[in-house]
Amino acid sequence: QVQLQESGPGLVKPSGTLSLTCAVSGGSISSSNWWSWVRQPPGKGLEWIGEIYHSGSTNYNPSLMSRVTISVDKSKNQFSLKLSSVTATDTAVYFCGASGSYYHPRHFDFWGQGTMVTVSS
Amino acid sequence: QSVLTQPPSVSGAPGQRVTISCTGSGSNIGASFDVHWYQQLPGTVPKLLIYGNNNRPSGVPDRFSGSKSGTSASLAITGLQAEDEADYYCQSYDNNLSGSEVFGGGTQLTVL
Repeated sequence: QVQLQESGPGLVKPSGTLSLTCAVSGGSISSSNWWSWVRQPPGKGLEWIGEIYHSGSTNYNPSLMSRVTISVDKSKNQFSLKLSSVTATDTAVYFCGASGSYYHPRHFDFWGQGTMVTVSS
Repeated sequence: QSVLTQPPSVSGAPGQRVTISCTGSGSNIGASFDVHWYQQLPGTVPKLLIYGNNNRPSGVPDRFSGSKSGTSASLAITGLQAEDEADYYCQSYDNNLSGSEVFGGGTQLTVL
């Protein structure tokens, strides 16, 4: 059973870059899973940020594409999220997720516990 | 504004049946993309409830069922229980622009 754990700063300054990492255990990041980031602003719904395959192939939410980079580190069995030029509207719980689906829409079989990131000076 | 539209809230008494709708358009559900459903209990991580329109992962009670028709999908819960009180989200794929996974805005289920 794949387990995911997010880590990173809980506070980011406006205009800065949000950086999070998702550690994968119980399986290899080189397995046939797509690895995703999803966020949830306080009291609001879910928003897909983007995904990566172990080959490095990525797909991003068009509304965030200009600010997002998702990368994979096979040696550490983890993947990462960078979101630049953040504002208060980027304040959210950030989840990492895993999907074994080949086709879209990919359902998320496994989720991390989520990490709260607040954008504030 | 979510690409997929869900009612903000629904309610029902224990034992009753409730349905939650998820309305999309020709670029997502209407384009034959599947719909998935998640349950998020208060303060917890979303849990996959239904995948591929009407399939339940192992461990999900058969009180939960999904359907899809045209540009909409529905989640039905029968024999409502207090433990079903949660937020429910639908998910599909939208092929506008470069394509994106999309979620509904979520529906809060209250068990009366």
